[in-house]
Amino acid sequence: KNEVEQSPQNLTAQEGEFITINCSYSVGISALHWLQQHPGGGIVSLFMLSSGKKKHGRLIATINIQEKHSSLHITASHPRDSAVYICAVSKETSGSRLTFGEGTQLTVNP
Amino acid sequence: NAGVMQNPRHLVRRRGQEARLRCSPMKGHSHVYWYRQLPEEGLKFMVYLQKENIIDESGMPKERFSAEFPKEGPSILRIQQVVRGDSAAYFCASSLLRAGAGANVLTFGAGSRLTVL
Repeated sequence: KNEVEQSPQNLTAQEGEFITINCSYSVGISALHWLQQHPGGGIVSLFMLSSGKKKHGRLIATINIQEKHSSLHITASHPRDSAVYICAVSKETSGSRLTFGEGTQLTVNP
Repeated sequence: NAGVMQNPRHLVRRRGQEARLRCSPMKGHSHVYWYRQLPEEGLKFMVYLQKENIIDESGMPKERFSAEFPKEGPSILRIQQVVRGDSAAYFCASSLLRAGAGANVLTFGAGSRLTVL
């Protein structure tokens, strides 16, 4: 079993829909990261959080440390949000080294 | 302030040749991480380096792979005698703070895509 599990693996939405991607982990962490990988392959760090909630534009990330669960929400989705969204954790024992989930492929149709 | 620069972006090698991938971290960052993304797979940690030191190479294959981060110049990931299974995207990321001081925000490069014929 992977230490970081994401769901769903694939997600198709219509423009404007509210989107949620989930991430569960089974290890002690110092932080959880949400990353975005575009079709061109580049990776962008969206959020790093260790508690509570963070918001940036239409993106919201939450984490529940007790339940070892995080969610990434996208409000008013747009076709340009189409990408792979990756959850990754910094384990307590490994500093900034990341352990990754398998990613969620999001497609937003116009 | 340029981000993390990786080159080459694309590299084609024949089996048995050597591949050298370079990574220049963000200005002021002295911690570099290399990750590999095999086709249709997730990202996997390879190695963590600081200037002139390998801190954690637990994700590196035991043979043919090596990494360095010299005092001057970029970090280099070197793959000797490449095989088809080495075909992948190799990403470099850098951070500012010391590892062990807690997790740090990582800035990723655009990746180097290696194709072994």
